[in-house]
Amino acid sequence: KQEVTQIPAALSVPEGENLVLNCSFTDSAIYNLQWFRQDPGKGLTSLLLIQSSQREQTSGRLNASLDKSSGRSTLYIAASQPGDSATYLCAVRPSRYGGSQGNLIFGKGTKLSVKP
Amino acid sequence: EAGVAQSPRYKIIEKRQSVAFWCNPISGHATLYWYQQILGQGPKLLIQFQNNGVVDDSQLPKDRFSAERLKGVDSTLKIQPAKLEDSAVYLCASSGGARAPLAGAREQFFGPGTRLTVL
Repeated sequence: KQEVTQIPAALSVPEGENLVLNCSFTDSAIYNLQWFRQDPGKGLTSLLLIQSSQREQTSGRLNASLDKSSGRSTLYIAASQPGDSATYLCAVRPSRYGGSQGNLIFGKGTKLSVKP
Repeated sequence: EAGVAQSPRYKIIEKRQSVAFWCNPISGHATLYWYQQILGQGPKLLIQFQNNGVVDDSQLPKDRFSAERLKGVDSTLKIQPAKLEDSAVYLCASSGGARAPLAGAREQFFGPGTRLTVL
């Protein structure tokens, strides 16, 4: 059974610092991995999607890496800003026998607070 | 492009009462998902529709939860009767493309959610 773990559960950093959020998954048979942002009282916003054949994706100050064999992904945020404060969720889409895909399995998230 | 719409945004009910949530996906999106997110947890898929057919409802508590997607567009999720442990945020998401085999490669777009409190 696929399980997704995110460490740390909460993180507080001063503005301007570079930071790394970690995500690990127990089964390397994944179709893709997605990072989301969730603001209080709001839905999820997709940040980056990495296909299983890719090693990383970049969008602005965000860079996500994927090491499928070791079951790990990291989300790197450069030059953090107070507006980055939110909960960051990692989700994997398992691949299934025959090439079909399972549904997203989420971690519990990392709550990030960037202090001015 | 309008996003995924959900209503109501908040709902407070007593246990054993019934409640219904509504979702309008992004126009043209064939796949619609309902998730349950309990406080401090990641979202858990309840049901997935492809057009108006159910693809996966393996984690839907069918004794009390039901969902439908009329005409392959809007969807409603109902709980009857509600229990205390149903208190959560119910998220609706949609993804595009009529070609189901590629559905997994496409991003899911989420609505703002409905926060349910069962007293």
